[in-house]
Formats: sequence, structure tokens, C-alpha cells
Amino acid sequence: QKEVEQDPGPLSVPEGAIVSLNCTYSNSAFQYFMWYRQYSRKGPELLMYTYSSGNKEDGRFTAQVDKSSKYISLFIRDSQPSDSATYLCAMTLSNSGYALNFGKGTSLLVTP
Amino acid sequence: EPEVTQTPSHQVTQMGQEVILRCVPISNHLYFYWYRQILGQKVEFLVSFYNNEISEKSEIFDDQFSVERPDGSNFTLKIRSTKLEDSAMYFCASSGQERQTYNEQFFGPGTRLTVL
Repeated sequence: QKEVEQDPGPLSVPEGAIVSLNCTYSNSAFQYFMWYRQYSRKGPELLMYTYSSGNKEDGRFTAQVDKSSKYISLFIRDSQPSDSATYLCAMTLSNSGYALNFGKGTSLLVTP
Repeated sequence: EPEVTQTPSHQVTQMGQEVILRCVPISNHLYFYWYRQILGQKVEFLVSFYNNEISEKSEIFDDQFSVERPDGSNFTLKIRSTKLEDSAMYFCASSGQERQTYNEQFFGPGTRLTVL
């Protein structure tokens, strides 16, 4: 059983749409959750970091964690063509520089 | 804004050769990591390094791999005898700074390793 599952897409939406990206995980020991954005052949770029169940908002991005369901989400409001990228969820066990466990990533295309 | 840098951007090598991938983490960060991403697959953890020693490693990180922090700024990954299946994008990351959490890992642009 894969530890972190993420629908690879691709997901195509028109500019201005609300995007919902999701991951599920099997290991209930995961405590810290991140979302990264990765453009083609580039390094992952940290977007959001959360550690508690509930919502965290940063500009057009909202990260949501439901530990009881082992489910995390990233919402993008007013999506822009520049948001077109692969979005990776990642999670880790502890706040001590542990390994990140990544999902495979969801490819997002925002069309003008 | 501080960033992680990596050299070279692309390395081509023959099977069986040794390669060294280099990284300069963000200044004052305390934890350093190597990850790899085989084309079309997920990013996989290799190793983490803290206080001049390995703090965690994955099953991928076998005896063919080693890491070193030779001075106060560089962090290297050595693959002793490369195999075809080592072809991947290798990412260096760093984390941990005063008032920040150790889990906010910042990635470099990667080194694409091609083993022929």
C-alpha cells in the first residue's frame, strides 16, 4: 500500500476557476503536511506548510488537513495560467528534519 | 532571497564511473537533504544530514552513496560506481533556521544525472 496517494491528473481548468487538489495517506503517524509546486524540470517550490487539522490560508491558496480522514487538500482561488505546474503533496513524521514523503503530483493546466 | 544552488545542472557519465553532485544550502540552515526523482516518478528521499552526520537514510541510499560537508558551505553527494538506474534528477534541500521549523525544506533546481 502506497503511503501517499495523489491523483496524477492532468487537471485542466479555465482561468479564474477554483482548483481543488487532494492527497490521501495511510500512515496516521504523519503530523506535518506541505504542498509544493514544481515547474517542468525544476526543483519543488514550497507553497504551504501546516501541522494541524483545519484550514490555513495564504493569498489565493488554502491548505486543508483532516487527520481523522487522513486527507489533505490545496485550494487555489482565481487560478491563473502561471499556476500551471505539477503540485506535490508531502508529509513527514516529526518536526525534526525528517524525510518528506511525497505524492506523485497532480499536473494542473490553467487555460486563458 | 536566499536559495539552494546546485552544480552541475546536467551531468553525463559512463556506467561504473564515480560522480559527485554539489550543493550549497541556504546559509544558516541546519539540516541538509538529498532527494531524487526518476523521470515520471515521485520525488524520493535519499538521506538527511545534521550536525556533520547522517540523521536518516532510505533503503535507496546503499553503500554506493555517500554524503559530505567538506567545508562550511558545500554539501555533496557521491555515487561511487554509477548504474543505469541511477539516472534521475537529484535535488538538494535544506531546512532549519532560527524561528523556522525544521520541516520547511527548500529545494535547489536539481542536477540531472544521465548514466550511459
